[in-house]
Amino acid sequence: DVLMTQTPVSLPVSLGGQVSISCRSSQSLVHSDGNTYLHWYLQKPGQSPQLLIYRVSNRFSGVPDRFSGSGSGTDFTLKISRVEPEDLGVYYCLQSTHFPLTFGSGTKLEIK
Amino acid sequence: EVQLVESGGGLVQPGRSLKLSCAASGFTFSNYYMAWVRQAPKKGLEWVATISTSGSRTYYPDSVKGRFTISRDNAKSSLYLQMNSLKSEDTATYYCARHENYYDGTYYYGYWYFDFWGPGTMVTVSS
Repeated sequence: DVLMTQTPVSLPVSLGGQVSISCRSSQSLVHSDGNTYLHWYLQKPGQSPQLLIYRVSNRFSGVPDRFSGSGSGTDFTLKISRVEPEDLGVYYCLQSTHFPLTFGSGTKLEIK
Repeated sequence: EVQLVESGGGLVQPGRSLKLSCAASGFTFSNYYMAWVRQAPKKGLEWVATISTSGSRTYYPDSVKGRFTISRDNAKSSLYLQMNSLKSEDTATYYCARHENYYDGTYYYGYWYFDFWGPGTMVTVSS
């Protein structure tokens, strides 16, 4: 299985600040069709996960442009600018290039 | 508004069976691949199963293959997960999730990520 390693585990942030979350895969996530299937989710406290970014850099409907995704191959980043209270929670990356689908272990964004 | 509501969770003894249900509304259920994803207490997320629009194709990781069966009833807009030979490590919140889809002019297919999730139902496997 593809191992997804997220860093840091915990990320203290000041409201209004900017943060980056890293997600690294044990194999390249470039699919034979040429696409890269790496996605980002946010799980707010007590809620189910919600889709933020799909296929590396595409914001899902309704996701503010404060969220941006980038990366290629095995190395991916989620950036959040002008952090707001509603952004707090655990962020997960998901790869779906290889079976089985695997998630990262999560990065908890919390107030400094 | 897309809604997914899971039910059927509870306490079950190791080795026994349990069937989860997910009621979908707010979209054309039969046009979407659907999935189950679980989360053990205080742990991360694990994909459990996916089913195609018609139900003819199903997909599982090795951790549940042969024990879990995903199915659907498009007439009832419902998704199911039959879980057999349950183990303590199956203890988790089980989420019903929808794959984002695309249409090629003839058929609907699922992209392999999940655009909407239900609130989840808790399954505890313990004696």
